[in-house]
Amino acid sequence: AQSVAQPEDQVNVAEGNPLTVKCTYSVSGNPYLFWYVQYPNRGLQFLLKYITGDNLVKGSYGFEAEFNKSQTSFHLKKPSALVSDSALYFCAVRDMAPRDLGYSTLTFGKGTMLLVSP
Amino acid sequence: NAGVTQTPKFQVLKTGQSMTLQCAQDMNHNSMYWYRQDPGMGLRLIYYSASEGTTDKGEVPNGYNVSRLNKREFSLRLESAAPSQTSVYFCASSFRPPTSLQETQYFGPGTRLLVL
Repeated sequence: AQSVAQPEDQVNVAEGNPLTVKCTYSVSGNPYLFWYVQYPNRGLQFLLKYITGDNLVKGSYGFEAEFNKSQTSFHLKKPSALVSDSALYFCAVRDMAPRDLGYSTLTFGKGTMLLVSP
Repeated sequence: NAGVTQTPKFQVLKTGQSMTLQCAQDMNHNSMYWYRQDPGMGLRLIYYSASEGTTDKGEVPNGYNVSRLNKREFSLRLESAAPSQTSVYFCASSFRPPTSLQETQYFGPGTRLLVL
């Protein structure tokens, strides 16, 4: 079964500093990896995804993520944090290998709250 | 283009009452999903519909039923609500290419449900 771990419940960073939100995954085949952001009382918004190719993926709002196959990680990064980046961030994985010609679904991590202080 | 819409935004139920959460998408997506979000547990899949006319159980289907009414609409029904079903419910949709798993899910704004 596929799984995602976000080891930090909360990440605190000062505005202007770089930020990293960690994610590790486990799948049986090659992974599709996603990052979503949830602002207070809102739905999830898609940030970026890794399918194949370049290990550094660029997404919305200046975010990027680095895929590392040997460490089974997909950490979310931003060079300079903004107070408005404060939100709940979810990593998700989809197994690329279909099982029995069926349909595989996304598995989400538990989320990491990012707090950016002025 | 409204994306994924959900109604109601908020609902209070008494134990044993029933209700249906509505979801609609206008992106011509073929796949739709229902998740619940609980503190410290992330999102857990309740049911999904890979295409019109099909539905399948996800990780936590007990106590729920779904109907894929047409390509646009996917409803979630609680026949006899329990306090354990107090949660935030999200609907999502995606376009699934026939020969690929390369798809992105897009989420609605959520329904907050409180069961007393």
